[in-house]
Amino acid sequence: QQPVQSPQAVILREGEDAVINCSSSKALYSVHWYRQKHGEAPVFLMILLKGGEQKGHDKISASFNEKKQQSSLYLTASQLSYSGTYFCGTEIESQGNLIFGKGTKLSVKP
Amino acid sequence: DTGVSQNPRHKITKRGQNVTFRCDPISEHNRLYWYRQTLGQGPEFLTYFQNEAQLEKSRLLSDRFSAERPKGSFSTLEIQRTEQGDSAMYLCASSPMGKVRDIQYFGAGTRLSVL
Repeated sequence: QQPVQSPQAVILREGEDAVINCSSSKALYSVHWYRQKHGEAPVFLMILLKGGEQKGHDKISASFNEKKQQSSLYLTASQLSYSGTYFCGTEIESQGNLIFGKGTKLSVKP
Repeated sequence: DTGVSQNPRHKITKRGQNVTFRCDPISEHNRLYWYRQTLGQGPEFLTYFQNEAQLEKSRLLSDRFSAERPKGSFSTLEIQRTEQGDSAMYLCASSPMGKVRDIQYFGAGTRLSVL
């Protein structure tokens, strides 16, 4: 039931792009993306709802394929501040609670 | 508007002791969630409240765990007879009802170390 994230880790140079994927075996009501820096709270990035509605930061984009129960987070022109661990959280049929993947560790180097 | 506040930030206890954590959600947020996070893992859902009603509990929440949200405001999570396996970061999140009700805002967590 836990979504699978890929890749597990990625290293970028400033300005490069990255895609992080999240895949579930269950039909999803929504997908949530968070970034967490070491020792800090997860910070909300994006929510994608069944039916196409989404809300999030202007500089981050994401997609949600409802039929395949997959979501992807697109990070373009990466900055040093993008470093951290990215988690997708999936919600099944508007249950309320989120089931998180194991995370993707992103490191952006100068 | 202040964010989700959790206290204490760190707690060290001996095995067998009871511990209690507090979470103050963002003002007027109806939903409050508790998660547990261990090193290298994503947050694991424990339980959530809508106002004062506890709507769902994970099977991870053994009988030693209890959570309350009196009057639908702050919440407490108590762990009785702590075990070393309880060592983790305990995260609280809250979300509003309404158009963006699904966005959960997390606190910085309480790190529990059981010796």
